[in-house]
Amino acid sequence: EPEVTQTPSHQVTQMGQEVILRCVPISNHLYFYWYRQILGQKVEFLVSFYNNEISEKSEIFDDQFSVERPDGSNFTLKIRSTKLEDSAMYFCASSGGGLGYTFGSGTRLTVV
Amino acid sequence: RKEVEQDPGPFNVPEGATVAFNCTYSNSASQSFFWYRQDCRKEPKLLMSVYSSGNEDGRFTAQLNRASQYISLLIRDSKLSDSATYLCVVTNAGNNRKLIWGLGTSLAVNP
Repeated sequence: EPEVTQTPSHQVTQMGQEVILRCVPISNHLYFYWYRQILGQKVEFLVSFYNNEISEKSEIFDDQFSVERPDGSNFTLKIRSTKLEDSAMYFCASSGGGLGYTFGSGTRLTVV
Repeated sequence: RKEVEQDPGPFNVPEGATVAFNCTYSNSASQSFFWYRQDCRKEPKLLMSVYSSGNEDGRFTAQLNRASQYISLLIRDSKLSDSATYLCVVTNAGNNRKLIWGLGTSLAVNP
């Protein structure tokens, strides 16, 4: 079964540092997403990406965040200057156009 | 009011029990409805979509009441492997790609 792959599985970073979370969506999917889940809280939408541009972003997705699809296979989330409150599980997801999402196994980001 | 609200839980039930999860959503124009399952520190996985006519998949039955803005999930003959958090998820009209999540209800099935 096709998978969405995320790396790394766990990233520890110092406050103020930049991090890049990587995702390889399913190859024939067209829509890509990032969600995050702070420990003990609900899953929250960050951003959706279609046709090489952001189609929607939440208020969480401020200027510190950016996404990129640099080479047609990877889909990255960059946080420029991490804060303690950015500590969370970050899930990448992709879909082919219908309502079926496939989620990656997540990157646990710990900001210290 | 929260966009998606669920039973606070946690639920602790013996094997073989029937357990019901409830969910309400605030936007009457919500378009699509789902139940996801999430194991501890893992990604959410789609359990089933929910239709107005109700749908069943083995031991799992989902119901939608649009008038009451209410979604339910029933698990019959619960197994130890059903232990997880069950997440109610909706999408809103005109934006069928952004998933809006409830906090989830934790279920522990005990031997």
